[in-house]
Amino acid sequence: GAGVSQSPRYKVAKRGQDVALRCDPISGHVSLFWYQQALGQGPEFLTYFQNEAQLDKSGLPSDRFFAERPEGSVSTLKIQRTQQEDSAVYLCASRLLAGTDTQYFGPGTRLTVL
Amino acid sequence: KQEVTQIPAALSVPEGENLVLNCSFTDSAIYNLQWFRQDPGKGLTSLLLIQSSQREQTSGRLNASLDKSSGRSTLYIAASQPGDSATYLCAVTMNYGGSQGNLIFGKGTKLSVKP
Repeated sequence: GAGVSQSPRYKVAKRGQDVALRCDPISGHVSLFWYQQALGQGPEFLTYFQNEAQLDKSGLPSDRFFAERPEGSVSTLKIQRTQQEDSAVYLCASRLLAGTDTQYFGPGTRLTVL
Repeated sequence: KQEVTQIPAALSVPEGENLVLNCSFTDSAIYNLQWFRQDPGKGLTSLLLIQSSQREQTSGRLNASLDKSSGRSTLYIAASQPGDSATYLCAVTMNYGGSQGNLIFGKGTKLSVKP
């Protein structure tokens, strides 16, 4: 079956612009994660959804970051008033159930803020 | 706060060599540990997952070991091939009430296998 997909794959934004990044998880997966990966670093946790409920947003770096998953499937990560330090690859992962089994990752969206 | 460290940051070896990648973590209260592979422009692919009660897992030419009490894991790659060139990431999931299972990653080891 189809894996996790993300769009766009690449996004260039001018500082101060708002951006929206989309994640389509594997169909039927309950859990969804967003991670941020800066150049040369490992991914860092941003936020977690169980169905439509955002249960943990402790990793969001500022109030300019907002994520939603209104119908418990597709998720959108929105960044308002982008800054240069927001430049990174944003990875989405989904998991069949709540718990600790395997997460399946999408290809990521590379965001460059000029 | 859990910290995951990977050594070395980069490694270059000739084809055919056996190699070991190292991962250490500061908090031993983990639920499991995973090794991922990341190719440029692509997402992460899970290679091996070791539960905290296990000592090792094997898949083909890959063998991962876990010493939970000392906070260490190794990924052994036998008879390396140019196609093994990628960044290898180690990640842990914590074991405590309320954990939703988010992964805590190291910075990775960038492996280059030369023909």
